Amino acid sequence: DTGVSQDPRHKITKRGQNVTFRCDPISEHNRLYWYRQTLGQGPEFLTYFQNEAQLEKSRLLSDRFSAERPKGSFSTLEIQRTEQGDSAMYLCASSSSAENTEAFFGQGTRLTVV
Amino acid sequence: RKEVEQDPGPFNVPEGATVAFNCTYSNSASQSFFWYRQDCRKEPKLLMSVYSSGNEDGRFTAQLNRASQYISLLIRDSKLSDSATYLCVVRHYGQNFVFGPGTRLSVLP
Repeated sequence: DTGVSQDPRHKITKRGQNVTFRCDPISEHNRLYWYRQTLGQGPEFLTYFQNEAQLEKSRLLSDRFSAERPKGSFSTLEIQRTEQGDSAMYLCASSSSAENTEAFFGQGTRLTVV
Repeated sequence: RKEVEQDPGPFNVPEGATVAFNCTYSNSASQSFFWYRQDCRKEPKLLMSVYSSGNEDGRFTAQLNRASQYISLLIRDSKLSDSATYLCVVRHYGQNFVFGPGTRLSVLP
């Protein structure tokens, strides 16, 4: 399977704990995006990378959120001191740098903070 | 105001009906336009890109009006399997993809 893969698929954590999610993009894609989606809403942009450079970060992303893509391949998204409001589906997508090309999504990591 | 807005749903239509979804976007610098489909508890998947001249893919037709900053999706002869949420997506040059809130469609037997 050469699509976007995310790990874990599900995560249940206690409030106040830190969590880290991983995304492996399609190998030839140099752009990688993180989104958050809650029930009944469209995906909300969090951040994106071109290769290892983090080019854009949403104002929605609090200081508790950090993302890395150290070698321009896989990426991690860490949430520190989780809150119940962080419960959501975290989606990763990748695309090539060609304009007018679509983004391909992974199956997401569903986070539940209890 | 959200950057991308869509018809509030849900749309409940009988099989065989024609249904149209509307989308407006606020950033005139938007360069690329897409419709994605998302099934319940699944990831979004590309349905079709939207080109300036309009484009058709089988039962699906997409239109773009740059002057009005308006995008539409028409589904003809709807099938049960078309039941899903349809997401309007715009992209600015070199930037991220911006999603609308989605419009849910239920095709009823």
